[in-house]
Amino acid sequence: KQEVTQIPAALSVPEGENLVLNCSFTDSAIYNLQWFRQDPGKGLTSLLLIQSSQREQTSGRLNASLDKSSGRSTLYIAASQPGDSATYLCAPKPKSTFGDGTTLTVKP
Amino acid sequence: KAGVTQTPRYLIKTRGQQVTLSCSPISGHRSVSWYQQTPGQGLQFLFEYFSETQRNKGNFPGRFSGRQFSNSRSEMNVSTLELGDSALYLCASSSGQGDGAFFGQGTRLTVV
Repeated sequence: KQEVTQIPAALSVPEGENLVLNCSFTDSAIYNLQWFRQDPGKGLTSLLLIQSSQREQTSGRLNASLDKSSGRSTLYIAASQPGDSATYLCAPKPKSTFGDGTTLTVKP
Repeated sequence: KAGVTQTPRYLIKTRGQQVTLSCSPISGHRSVSWYQQTPGQGLQFLFEYFSETQRNKGNFPGRFSGRQFSNSRSEMNVSTLELGDSALYLCASSSGQGDGAFFGQGTRLTVV
């Protein structure tokens, strides 16, 4: 059974800081891993998808890395902005398991 | 390209009733997954359908069921509603196992 852990559970940073969110999973037999953000009461917005054969993916200020063998992924956010405030979730596929997420607050 | 559409957005039901939620996936996507999200339990996987067949199932009681139609639209049904079924129900579509998932805005179900 796939189990996903995200650390830290919550993070508060001043605007402009670079930060790293961590995701670990127990079953390394994954097809891919996807990072999402969720605003309160809303659905999930896809941020990045890393295939199992890839090491990292980048989109704008976001960079996600994947180390399948150790069961870890990180999401790096550069130059954080107040609009980045949300809950960030990772999900390895298959098994469709989510962690509890990291709630990020970026203070102006 | 239209995104994933879930209807209705909000629903209030009485304990003991049943409810049906609908999800229209992105055009061309054949996989639809359903999730329940509550403050205490987080996001929990209900089931996944691919080409009208249930491919994966989470650990929920038999009161929760689903189906997928030939046009890939999916419905989820909950019978004999309990107060604990109050949650945000999310649907996600993808084109296959190796592809990313795209979520709808969810249906907020309140059971009173």
